[in-house]
Amino acid sequence: VQLVESGGGLVQPGKSLKLSCSASGFTFSSYGMHWIRQAPGKGLDWVAYISSSSGTVYADAVKGRFTISRDNAKNTLYLQLNSLKSEDTAIYYCAVLGSSYWGQGVMVTVSS
Amino acid sequence: DIQMTQSPASLSASLEEIVTITCQASQDIGNWLAWYQQKPGKSPQLLIYDASSLHTGVPSRFSGSGSGTQYSLKISRLQVEDPGIYYCLQGYSAYTFGAGTKLELK
Repeated sequence: VQLVESGGGLVQPGKSLKLSCSASGFTFSSYGMHWIRQAPGKGLDWVAYISSSSGTVYADAVKGRFTISRDNAKNTLYLQLNSLKSEDTAIYYCAVLGSSYWGQGVMVTVSS
Repeated sequence: DIQMTQSPASLSASLEEIVTITCQASQDIGNWLAWYQQKPGKSPQLLIYDASSLHTGVPSRFSGSGSGTQYSLKISRLQVEDPGIYYCLQGYSAYTFGAGTKLELK
């Protein structure tokens, strides 16, 4: 099983970024997927969930700004981050929580 | 939103000691509770799910218990590889992590 995040980087406040998570080694289309973030030196913060049938749930802190989506044909999970704020600075992990599959994380830094 | 109050924030324990970490939910979460361990620079790893079920490959010295709003993680005999940060996670209504417990060896 492998989950590999990409798309992170340094972005200015108010701008957008799109994260990707490429999955392999399991039947991606059968699993609900999560994005979790961790600010530097802080705890885990759940961000969003998408079910195998593409139903979505968001944390209040990102609702209306972030969009989770998936492409089962490409075995890829996405997180569109809009209207970014400094407090969105964190390592972003994709994960299958129930099976404890986690990626290595990708850093997003929001700063002018 | 469901809030998770985890305690203690940190603790120091000796080898072979019993360690207990607790999480209190702001409402009944019906055993939708998991425990994770995170080591420095690593992704978290699942220990316990559904409040008391041991994830595959996790040593039997880890156990979970609780119901309603009160849950706990117990390490029966602390080992040298157990220090790290432990988090609870509720999945009853959306998802919420506890603030974490930093466990160190004395």
